[in-house]
Amino acid sequence: GAGVSQSPSNKVTEKGKDVELRCDPISGHTALYWYRQSLGQGLEFLIYFQGNSAPDKSGLPSDRFSAERTGGSVSTLTIQRTQQEDSAVYLCASSVGQGTYEQYFGPGTRLTVT
Amino acid sequence: GENVEQHPSTLSVQEGDSAVIKCTYSDSASNYFPWYKQELGKRPQLIIDIRSNVGEKKDQRIAVTLNKTAKHFSLHITETQPEDSAVYFCAHSGGYQKVTFGTGTKLQVIP
Repeated sequence: GAGVSQSPSNKVTEKGKDVELRCDPISGHTALYWYRQSLGQGLEFLIYFQGNSAPDKSGLPSDRFSAERTGGSVSTLTIQRTQQEDSAVYLCASSVGQGTYEQYFGPGTRLTVT
Repeated sequence: GENVEQHPSTLSVQEGDSAVIKCTYSDSASNYFPWYKQELGKRPQLIIDIRSNVGEKKDQRIAVTLNKTAKHFSLHITETQPEDSAVYFCAHSGGYQKVTFGTGTKLQVIP
């Protein structure tokens, strides 16, 4: 079946502009994660959605970052007033349930803030 | 806490030698310990995982060991090949916790 998809694959934006990144998880997966990965660095946790529970937003670096997940499926990560330090690859992952299951990662969105 | 420490951050081995990566966690409630491999420019993918009811699991050239008492787990790659070169991430979770990843180990296998 189809894997996790993300769009756009690349996004170049000017400093100060808002951007929206989209993630389509695998159908039926109740858990969805967003991570940020700077060049050569590890996976920085941003936010975690699990079913109908309140999301775990503990990884969001500032109030410029927000995310939502509509209908338990598609998720959108929004970055307002982008800064150059926001430049990174944003990865989305989904899994069939809570933390004790394999995560399937999307291809990522490479964000460049000029 | 959910922290996990991963060592070493970089590792170079000669082709054919073994590689070992170690992770230490602090949350005694953790019961699931996956390892992900991320090749250059690609997305992370699960290569092996272990649950707390077993102490060791093997899959061909890779194995993972778990010591719940000491709260550490390790990835062992034997007979390394150039295609094993990648960044490896350990992770852990338990119950309703989210998965927490280690900081990654960049493995270079020298032909």
